[in-house]
Amino acid sequence: QKEVEQNSGPLSVPEGAIASLNCTYSDRGSQSFFWYRQYSGKSPELIMFIYSNGDKEDGRFTAQLNKASQYVSLLIRDSQPSDSATYLCAVNRRDNYGQNFVFGPGTRLSVLP
Amino acid sequence: GAVVSQHPSRVICKSGTSVKIECRSLDFQATTMFWYRQFPKQSLMLMATSNEGSKATYEQGVEKDKFLINHASLTLSTLTVTSAHPEDSSFYICSARATWGRGTDTQYFGPGTRLTVL
Repeated sequence: QKEVEQNSGPLSVPEGAIASLNCTYSDRGSQSFFWYRQYSGKSPELIMFIYSNGDKEDGRFTAQLNKASQYVSLLIRDSQPSDSATYLCAVNRRDNYGQNFVFGPGTRLSVLP
Repeated sequence: GAVVSQHPSRVICKSGTSVKIECRSLDFQATTMFWYRQFPKQSLMLMATSNEGSKATYEQGVEKDKFLINHASLTLSTLTVTSAHPEDSSFYICSARATWGRGTDTQYFGPGTRLTVL
């Protein structure tokens, strides 16, 4: 089992709808969780991070974390064509050697006008 | 938010030459920086972890003698692709780790360097 898994997509949603992106992780010692957005030909940019169970909202974005089920999700409300990108989930955990940052393969989102 | 710069943004070179890419954290100190490579339509691939003042840690399959990493200060890491060949053509992205409160680390990415080897 890979450490961080995401559905590769593409996930297609109509403009104005809610896009739901999911991520699962294998290491229960994981402590903090990140969502990055990567446009084609560009580098990833941080959207938000979460480290407590529950929801965290930032504008149109909501991150949801459930450590018991080992999943983290990102909801994008009122999706816009400009949200079309690849979304990377990343998990950070601390071990005896320091902190280990692991990325998922990304989910490609396409918002249709 | 934290800003990471990379230079150059794009480079075209002849086969056999060496290319140096700089990665700078502009408004924070980064004891650890990471170098990634990304081929078209593929995932990020971690190449190495660069630690200030010590040797870099390379991922399996990455040639340390070909991809030289130097992290001489808390704000600068460099990647040198030595004797570049066409198969080294890729998008090279660095990131810098920032440590905030509660011991939480966050990675911030530079804009990337597109390398084309002719």
